[in-house]
Amino acid sequence: EVRLVESGGGVVQPGGSLRLSCAVSGFSFDNFAMHWVRQAPGKGLEWVSGISWSSGRVGYGDAVKGRFTISRDNAQNSLFLQMNSLRAEDTALYYCAKDISGTYVGSHLDSWGQGTLVTVSS
Amino acid sequence: QSLLTQPPSASGTPGQRVTISCSGGSSNIGINPVNWYQQLPGTAPTLLIYTNDRRPSGVPDRFSGSKSGTSASLAISGLQSEDEADYYCAAWDDSLNGVFFGGGTKLTVL
Repeated sequence: EVRLVESGGGVVQPGGSLRLSCAVSGFSFDNFAMHWVRQAPGKGLEWVSGISWSSGRVGYGDAVKGRFTISRDNAQNSLFLQMNSLRAEDTALYYCAKDISGTYVGSHLDSWGQGTLVTVSS
Repeated sequence: QSLLTQPPSASGTPGQRVTISCSGGSSNIGINPVNWYQQLPGTAPTLLIYTNDRRPSGVPDRFSGSKSGTSASLAISGLQSEDEADYYCAAWDDSLNGVFFGGGTKLTVL
């Protein structure tokens, strides 16, 4: 069974930092690209970032470019999102999601975690 | 305003057929596959339709997808109360180099 479990969310002040993690099991993690997708309270889905299977290629949505960094540790079956210079508008439930291919160039996300909540507030 | 445009709401009665549209452009839907996601209340999204018109195992054949030009559609036939959810289309955009979701359509079963 494919499992994705996010952690690391919490309350942080504007300008602060957080590091999200996603622990995966049930599939060969190092064969697949991974994504972070977020959902602000009461709003729709927004793609945050994607990373290829080898970490050789990464991409970011315009709203987070230059502030967030995606990474992965294939030996530990884990995905990460380092979030710096956080703003109130980054408040959201952050999901990690598995791609069906090794590159993140696409929108075919076949497994999702349950999300971790990030709240940016003073 | 989303790059992919969906109606904010749709509704139908049990047994009816409803369709949800997703309008994009030449750099996204026009040249890349469309995927659809279902988000039941209080839960994470799940893949409903992939590569325009394919159903993952376990998804009832009441759900179908199609694409023509720069638009796509999700159709749900034999509407059931458990279909009440938010539905999102998604596609890669070659110009902006990212995944884009539609704004979502809230389906109400009357």
